[in-house]
Amino acid sequence: QSVLTQPPSASGTPGQRVTISCSGSNSNIGTSTVNWYQQLPGAAPKLLIYSNNQRPSGVPDRFSASKSGSSVSLAISGLQSEDEADYYCATWDDTLFGGGTKLTVL
Amino acid sequence: EVQLLESGGALVQPGGSLRLSCAASGFTFSSYALGWVRQAPGKGLEWVSAINDRGGDTYYADSVKGRFTISRDNSKNTLSLQMNSLRADDTAVYYCTRRSQYYNSWYTDSWGQGTLVTVSS
Repeated sequence: QSVLTQPPSASGTPGQRVTISCSGSNSNIGTSTVNWYQQLPGAAPKLLIYSNNQRPSGVPDRFSASKSGSSVSLAISGLQSEDEADYYCATWDDTLFGGGTKLTVL
Repeated sequence: EVQLLESGGALVQPGGSLRLSCAASGFTFSSYALGWVRQAPGKGLEWVSAINDRGGDTYYADSVKGRFTISRDNSKNTLSLQMNSLRADDTAVYYCTRRSQYYNSWYTDSWGQGTLVTVSS
């Protein structure tokens, strides 16, 4: 069980906006940046957001993230079927990962 | 295009050893920090080890410290992970990763496809 707490599952319908939370503490998220990764079924993880809210080139602007204190949130707007995947938050320069959230598109 | 190609995964008995390799291409290998992240079957991601661009600084998760050794050969664009005293809980897909820096923080901008290590008798 990770010290970064993510809900095991989340769901939404196409077009909807969903958020995935990641809760830590002052000793991790509170003092370090957070990155987010998407892992499609059967694939390797892929960088989604780095340094709290920076989007790499090629990642749609439907994906955004925010940080408040020792918690962060990933938001996906205009949900699409291809967004169905596992999502992981990470901090401490990616030496600490959250447990992951399985997103289902209904 | 950045490519990271792992090899060396296998079935090994508890207490045994294994060496993973990662062949990199598509970028200036010697300019990047690299690492390994693993994922046990049906589980989440776990950071294993990292090494800086020149290979002089290495870092390990507590769970593998003293048993695993990360190294790199910048002349051959190859990253390695020597795993000794393997245990059943080391069973996982091992991903080779490229690390990038943004101001004072690091992130993983590229992942290999992974290689499966199974520790079982």
